[in-house]
Amino acid sequence: AQSVTQLDSHVSVSEGTPVLLRCNYSSSYSPSLFWYVQHPNKGLQLLLKYTSAATLVKGINGFEAEFKKSETSFHLTKPSAHMSDAAEYFCVVSEGSGGYNKLIFGAGTRLAVHP
Amino acid sequence: DADVTQTPRNRITKTGKRIMLECSQTKGHDRMYWYRQDPGLGLRLIYYSFDVKDINKGEISDGYSVSRQAQAKFSLSLESAIPNQTALYFCATGLAGGGEQFFGPGTRLTVL
Repeated sequence: AQSVTQLDSHVSVSEGTPVLLRCNYSSSYSPSLFWYVQHPNKGLQLLLKYTSAATLVKGINGFEAEFKKSETSFHLTKPSAHMSDAAEYFCVVSEGSGGYNKLIFGAGTRLAVHP
Repeated sequence: DADVTQTPRNRITKTGKRIMLECSQTKGHDRMYWYRQDPGLGLRLIYYSFDVKDINKGEISDGYSVSRQAQAKFSLSLESAIPNQTALYFCATGLAGGGEQFFGPGTRLTVL
């Protein structure tokens, strides 16, 4: 079975400094991987996705993630944090075959951005 | 995402009451999903439906039921609510083979 581990439950950065949110996965297939963001009192928004094309994936709002099969990692980064990036972030792996895609969610990482 | 709407957005109810949460979508997707979110646990799948005639249990379906009234509507019911069903509930839609899902704004349910 597939699983996702987000290595930090909370990350705190200063505005203008880099962001790194770590995610490891386990999968017996070639996985599809996603990062979603949830702002307070909002639904989940897709940041980016990896589906076996380029290993460096660019998403919205300046975020990107790199798929590293040897390390089974899919860490999310951003060069310079903005106050509006404060939110909860979920790493997600897509499991399944035969046309069925079940999403397995990590527990989430809450990002705080300080002035 | 305004294309997936959920009603109500907030609900407080008492133990033993029957509750229905509704989800509508204008994305034209065949697949619809219900999740619950608890702090520190991410989202867990309750039920999913691939079309009007197809309903499947997710990992935590006990105590819940669903109805797919039309391609665009998927409702979740708690027949007899209990306090540990207090959570944030999300509806989502998706396409076959697409992988990603599109989420509604959520319903915050409190069972006293």
